[in-house]
Amino acid sequence: GNSVTQMEGPVTLSEEAFLTINCTYTATGYPSLFWYVQYPGEGLQLLLKATKADDKGSNKGFEATYRKETTSFHLEKGSVQVSDSAVYFCALSHNTNAGKSTFGDGTTLTVKP
Amino acid sequence: NAGVTQTPKFRVLKTGQSMTLLCAQDMNHEYMYWYRQDPGMGLRLIHYSVGEGTTAKGEVPDGYNVSRLKKQNFLLGLESAAPSQTSVYFCASRRSSATLSLTFGPGTRLTVT
Repeated sequence: GNSVTQMEGPVTLSEEAFLTINCTYTATGYPSLFWYVQYPGEGLQLLLKATKADDKGSNKGFEATYRKETTSFHLEKGSVQVSDSAVYFCALSHNTNAGKSTFGDGTTLTVKP
Repeated sequence: NAGVTQTPKFRVLKTGQSMTLLCAQDMNHEYMYWYRQDPGMGLRLIHYSVGEGTTAKGEVPDGYNVSRLKKQNFLLGLESAAPSQTSVYFCASRRSSATLSLTFGPGTRLTVT
């Protein structure tokens, strides 16, 4: 079956530090890959996505590249802000099987001033 | 557009009581999903629907029932609540089979004592 493994947290960084949150996946075929972000007390929001190998998703300074050879989709940001403090979820989904998504366990990021 | 809304936001139940969680979306989305979120376990799919009048079991369906009588609404029922159902419940939707990213509601925090 499908699975997503995320870097364990929590992650604590100082403002303007470089962020990497690792995500690897196991899936058949060619899934689409996603990063969702959950701010305190809210639901998840789509942060970025990539639908095929070598695609780069980007949004709000965050980037992730779909690497089929390493089955990875690591999230990066060059300079984090306090407002980036949240829980980040990596996920995958296929066009088949009702498009059900498989989520990682989430990584909590805290950015200190 | 209100997006995806969930009612109620918080609820406390005693063991054995029943309740219904309501999810509503005004985006004309075909697919709707119910997830539960527990610490360290990511999101787990309870039930889902691929269109009005259809429902199907997800990963953890036991103790829950669902109905999708209208396209815009997806109801999650707990017939006899148990402490193990203490969780945060998220509803999500997506437009069609061509769109795999999800739009989430704000969540319902349920405590069963």
